[in-house]
Amino acid sequence: NAGVTQTPKFQVLKTGQSMTLQCAQDMNHNSMYWYRQDPGMGLRLIYYSASEGTTDKGEVPNGYNVSRLNKREFSLRLESAAPSQTSVYFCASIPRGGTMNTEAFFGQGTRLTVV
Amino acid sequence: KNQVEQSPQSLIILEGKNCTLQCNYTVSPFSNLRWYKQDTGRGPVSLTIMTFSENTKSNGRYTATLDADTKQSSLHITASQLSDSASYICVVTVSGGYNKLIFGAGTRLAVHP
Repeated sequence: NAGVTQTPKFQVLKTGQSMTLQCAQDMNHNSMYWYRQDPGMGLRLIYYSASEGTTDKGEVPNGYNVSRLNKREFSLRLESAAPSQTSVYFCASIPRGGTMNTEAFFGQGTRLTVV
Repeated sequence: KNQVEQSPQSLIILEGKNCTLQCNYTVSPFSNLRWYKQDTGRGPVSLTIMTFSENTKSNGRYTATLDADTKQSSLHITASQLSDSASYICVVTVSGGYNKLIFGAGTRLAVHP
């Protein structure tokens, strides 16, 4: 009963390096989301996937790419990390998109520092 | 612009006391309002979710209220415990589309013995 699992939990990158944040859910949910959380701000949506095979940009997509590998997995890639991408990243899943009262489940977060 | 504002930013109370956290929103069209608890270093965990027609919902010692006319919500914590120390986040869902969630910045609550 893992729910939403993110890896890694912590990462330090040098400017210009690339990395992929992994997210997997075992609840058979259709919709998955990537958010970033910065001090003093609410979570902001980077990308989302309403269903397997589709991805769309959120509020702050610049510098990121995503892949919905299958129904379970949704990865976030930083191609060339910048200090402005230092943040805590959360993956979330919801049973189905476009429906009003379904619960959102969040992973434990990935704390990324770009130096 | 869709916005969720929470107050206070931070709060310190003594164990056993009650407290109330506030949330004001300007989100349209409105679908529902959620309160989450986020422990330090963890992901948000749901406390309550309320639709337009609901004005009160409880989850143990947590009671959320919603006034859809004034676009205000509150989260009342009764008989606080040390484990209530966390950030509490108000989230409003925009109706239609892909479950667009608008997050408040949170209220950081510290419960002291």
